[in-house]
This record gives sequence, C-alpha cells and structure tokens, in this order.
Amino acid sequence: QLVLTQSPSASASLGASIKLTCTLSSGHSSNAIAWHQQQPEKGPRYLMKLNSDGSHSKGDGVPDRFSGSSSGAERYLTISSLQSEDEADYYCQAWDTGVQVFGTGTKVTVL
Amino acid sequence: EVQLVESGGGLVKPGGSLRLSCAASGFTFTNAWMNWVRQAPGKGLEWVGRIKSKPAGGTIDYAAPVNARFTISRDDSTNTVYLQMNSLKTEDTAVYYCTTGTPIDYWGQGTLVTVSS
Repeated sequence: QLVLTQSPSASASLGASIKLTCTLSSGHSSNAIAWHQQQPEKGPRYLMKLNSDGSHSKGDGVPDRFSGSSSGAERYLTISSLQSEDEADYYCQAWDTGVQVFGTGTKVTVL
Repeated sequence: EVQLVESGGGLVKPGGSLRLSCAASGFTFTNAWMNWVRQAPGKGLEWVGRIKSKPAGGTIDYAAPVNARFTISRDDSTNTVYLQMNSLKTEDTAVYYCTTGTPIDYWGQGTLVTVSS
C-alpha cells in the first residue's frame, strides 16, 4: 500500500534554510513524488515533480529557492533563504496504478 | 494561462446529491488527465478520483471512501469535467478542487460543499 509520511511541523528563521522530508512506504522507494504548497487561506500550488534520482522539474514561477533531492525512499524539499511568504503547509503526493495519495502535510513556521 | 474554475458547491442535506463542474482553459483539455481533490475543514488534502483523457482510454478511478457514490465525467466539447456526488454524508463536507495531471500540476480555486441537516 502506497503511503507517504511527513513530519507535522518544522520551523526556521527568516533567511535560513529548511529541509522537509517525505518518506515513501516499503516497496515504493523508486516512485516519483510531487510537492505542493498551501499558504494560509489559499488553495494549493504545485511546486515540483521529484524523481528517485533527485532530478526535478518545477512548476510555473516557482522560485529558485525551492529545490528537491532524494535518498532511498526519502524525498526532500529544501527552501533556501526562507521568506515570510514561505510560511505554509507543504504536501507531498505520489501515484500508482489507479490511486493517488497525499502525505499528511508539514506546517512550516518562519521565525 | 491555465485556468480551472469550479462551480456548483453549496449546502446539501445528508443523503442528497450535488454536481460540481470545472471549466478548463489554457491547455489542450482533450489530452489532459483530470482529478478531483478535496480538503475537509482544518484537514489535509485527499484525492477523490481521476479521469484519464480519451486517447489514454478514458479510465476513471476513485478513492475508496467515495467509490460507488461519486461519478466523474468529462465533456471534451466544452472543456468541462464534472463530479456527480450522490448519497452525500456529513464527512463529505470539504472544499473540492479540480486539478490537472499526474502528478497534479495545476489547481483550481476550489468550491465548498457543506453536507448538513
């Protein structure tokens, strides 16, 4: 069964970097995922597709501060030079035959 | 510019029905795989279902909680995708988003469905 695990929360100071983790369930370590951002009171926004080899393709207008990487079953989203507008919920998403799943989301707080 | 505009949300009683529409523009709709995703108040994102493009076979898949109650369809002549929701339950209360692609690469603004007596 395809399941994505995310930490509930993370925080870092303005201007710092933060690295979020999304872990794929057993047997799915080669799956690609996508990252989505949801700012407070707004709809989600697609950030990027992230492959198992760490290659990634970003959505329209996504700043260079957002990058992705992979290691085994873990997929990472790194935000550099953290800005106040980066305070948001971040969801990972994966897909398999006939199903798509989301992680439970990580709430990022900018200190 | 890709645009996805949902409509049809509102208040409905448990056991009732509602049909959501999503008008799409800015991309080749006939080749697009379309999804519905929902978000209950204060909760995370939940995939509802997906319809493939007709060239890809038009297959429709649903999440277990909505299977046999919800139906996704599309009209390629009007670039519209629909979500017919029957036998609605209070736990179906959520903002419903229309999205494109696998993975999802564009989101609509969402429409609120409230199931309450």
